[in-house]
Parts: sequence; structure tokens; C-alpha cells
Amino acid sequence: QSALTQPASVSGSPGQSITISCTGTSSDIGAYNYVSWFQHHPGKAPKLMIYEVSNRPSGISDRFSGSKSGNTASLTISGLQAEDEADYYCSSYTGSGTNTVVFGGGTKLTVL
Amino acid sequence: EVQLVESGGGLVQPGGSLRLSCAASGSTVRSYWMHWVRQAPGKGLVWVSRINIDGRTTNYADSVKGRFTISRDNAKNTLFLQMNSLRAEDMAVYYCAIDLVSGSGSLQSWGQGTLVTVSS
Repeated sequence: QSALTQPASVSGSPGQSITISCTGTSSDIGAYNYVSWFQHHPGKAPKLMIYEVSNRPSGISDRFSGSKSGNTASLTISGLQAEDEADYYCSSYTGSGTNTVVFGGGTKLTVL
Repeated sequence: EVQLVESGGGLVQPGGSLRLSCAASGSTVRSYWMHWVRQAPGKGLVWVSRINIDGRTTNYADSVKGRFTISRDNAKNTLFLQMNSLRAEDMAVYYCAIDLVSGSGSLQSWGQGTLVTVSS
């Protein structure tokens, strides 16, 4: 149950676009379309931004989009806004007999 | 919209036990898989456990397997986490969450968390 790999930090200016990567293996991201992305402001409850690789829950801005290629998933945020500054985590279902969920280490997004 | 409220956290000595609860209100959660996720101080989110709709299927992270037990009472709209043989590394904020898509980890609704401190 090794954690998925995310960059520790990314940054961008308001209005710009950024992409956060999330690398797993052929047993998790590469095997299932069950990749989720969460936004977490410290002290608050995490918030689901993307599920099943690219689906947005109701109420989530279309500035947030997700994709996957092979064992790597990506979250893109376009038109960066100050309130987007937060920690972002990816997760994936892992089958292969374990039937568990694994998170990435998290990425701190700074809006300059 | 469902609201989740965790309780039961607190200070416990190494080797001790705690039982966390997650009470749902606003809607029934009996049709959803549910999960526990934790976050140690200054660290990232870590998945702990999940349980299916009727409570008969449960899964655990290797780090807690054999020590933690997840359960649910659908009549009371409540999720539980029994934590035994607690270790310093179990110290964290524990969140409960509802899965939007079976047990896939699409965690749509989260509680605010309850803090578990393991220290002598």
C-alpha cells in the first residue's frame, strides 16, 4: 500500500493554469478508473473535486478537470483564483486482492 | 445534504483503546459505503478503512489491520471505528466520509474530524 506520488508543491499566478500529477502503479491508477482529487484547506473538511478520473461532483467549478494516462493521473486548475490555494490530494482504488484505497502525499498549491 | 459529525477522540495511552463514532444527519447513509481517513499532525491524508452497505465487507490499511475494527449501525445512521493497541503513530485527526461510488474512494461528504492523541 505505497502512497501515490505527487509533487510537494506547485504555484501559479491568478488567471494562470496549473497541473498536478499523481503517479501510481499498474495495480491502482493504471488498473482502475477510480481516481479522485480532494481539496483541503487546513482545519476544514476535505472536499471532493474530481471522481472517477474526470467527473466533477455537483457544484464544483469547471475550472477543475481531471485526466489519466497509464499509471499517472492529473488535475488541472484553470483560471487560478486566490481561494484555490490549498492542499490537493489524489487517491485511487487498489484491487488485486487488497481492495483498499491509497492517497497521494499531497501537493501544496500556492497562488502567487 | 448529509452532515457527518465525528466524536470519541481524545487522549489515550499507548496500548489503549478508543471507539470513534460518526453520526450522520440530514439524510440516511444506509445506501453508501463509508470510510475512515486520518491525518497525522503536519502530514497528509491516509486511508484507514472502508465498510460496505450492510457491514459484511470491510477492508483495512496494513498499518491498522488486526487492531482496528470498522462497523456501522444503519438503524442509528452511525459509523464506528474501534481502535485497540494504539500506538504513537496512530495519533491523528480521524475523518469519516461517504463514498459516492460504491467503495471506490470517491469520498463526497466528510466530517470535520476528531483528534486522537496517543501519549503517556
